[in-house]
Amino acid sequence: GIQVEQSPPDLILQEGANSTLRCNFSDSVNNLQWFHQNPWGQLINLFYIPSGTKQNGRLSATTVATERYSLLYISSSQTTDSGVYFCAVPVWNQGGKLIFGQGTELSVKP
Amino acid sequence: DSGVTQTPKHLITATGQRVTLRCSPRSGDLSVYWYQQSLDQGLQFLIQYYNGEERAKGNILERFSAQQFPDLHSELNLSSLELGDSALYFCASSVEGGIQETQYFGPGTRLLVL
Repeated sequence: GIQVEQSPPDLILQEGANSTLRCNFSDSVNNLQWFHQNPWGQLINLFYIPSGTKQNGRLSATTVATERYSLLYISSSQTTDSGVYFCAVPVWNQGGKLIFGQGTELSVKP
Repeated sequence: DSGVTQTPKHLITATGQRVTLRCSPRSGDLSVYWYQQSLDQGLQFLIQYYNGEERAKGNILERFSAQQFPDLHSELNLSSLELGDSALYFCASSVEGGIQETQYFGPGTRLLVL
């Protein structure tokens, strides 16, 4: 089945720094979602981005479907950005179930 | 707020017991998904329903079952609970359960089995 790998597994930043998180996937995808899991456990939708680039405030994401990767950029990080970032892709012909990467745990220090 | 609601938020129970987790999808969404997040397995798909019918199944244990009711809310039943069932259980919903749709996740139910 499709494999999803995220890097780095952990990241520690000072407030104000920028970062890039990567998501590699092993097969063609029709969809890719980025999520932020906050310290209270909630999974928050960040982007639905099967291809191209999207921006939302300090966050942006780019998916290059032909090369099977997606990047999440966080600029001017804030302590509230801390948590775990997941990417997930759906499985073809299996009802759209999502396969999640293992996540990148981000800690932003004041 | 994603519009997906889950109850209860927290559940503490003992081994061997049975619990029911409830999910209400976003208004207008016909498809509901259940996922389990545990420390050792990460986030894993359990089961999907579309308009009351089971559509896809993951590595869901035989001790677990689910259904989606005519009003589209869904329940996940976990029985003969074991310590290893302790996890965060998420429900997600989408309009028609297709692969090109965004899935919106509820706040989760945190289950602790003692």
